[in-house]
Amino acid sequence: EIVLTQSPGTLSLSPGERATLSCRASQSVSSTFLAWYQQKPGQAPRLLIYAASSRAAGIPDRFSGSGSGTDFTLAISRLEPEDFAVYYCQHYGNSPLFTFGPGTKVDLK
Amino acid sequence: EVQLVESGGGLVQPGGSLRLSCAASGFTFSTYSMNWVRQAPGKGLEWVSYISSRSRTIHYADSVKGRFTISRDDAKNSLYLQMNSLRAEDTAVYFCGRQDAWGSLDYWGQGSLVTVSS
Repeated sequence: EIVLTQSPGTLSLSPGERATLSCRASQSVSSTFLAWYQQKPGQAPRLLIYAASSRAAGIPDRFSGSGSGTDFTLAISRLEPEDFAVYYCQHYGNSPLFTFGPGTKVDLK
Repeated sequence: EVQLVESGGGLVQPGGSLRLSCAASGFTFSTYSMNWVRQAPGKGLEWVSYISSRSRTIHYADSVKGRFTISRDDAKNSLYLQMNSLRAEDTAVYFCGRQDAWGSLDYWGQGSLVTVSS
């Protein structure tokens, strides 16, 4: 069973700063099936990145994904006020079919 | 425009049953795999169940196996989750999600709250 660990748990930053979020898998996974989501309070998650590095439709280019094997990163180049939210990584595989990380909260410093 | 709209949530006693629905529009529902994902209050996301196009393949999380049943009606563009033997720990917002070719959920509904309490 694959376990996803995200760090840090909370990231306190100011608008305009760069955010770097980490997602580590307990064993090597295919980057084809690694995704990132953003969730704001009271809202459904929103797909940001699929296949580790491809931006979903309508996602600004300040969001980027990278990584392979067991280590993946979501970067936000310059934080906008609307980017303060919780971010989850997710893997699609086997048993369980979907695994989500515990999330990283990006909050206002 | 792709839309997913859940309904059917509410308050139910432990041991009770509830059926969630997810109405899809704006895309060819029958060709997509669909999923249910839940989020307990103040907690993270937990995948619940998967159904492929044409209902060929179905999967469940261990936490709901034997109690929940996923189904779909392509003629009605609808996804369902029949939840039986509900427990307090099933209390959550339940989201339906459309799966893309990369195993991501590219569209989500707004969620339906299920509260299991006496």
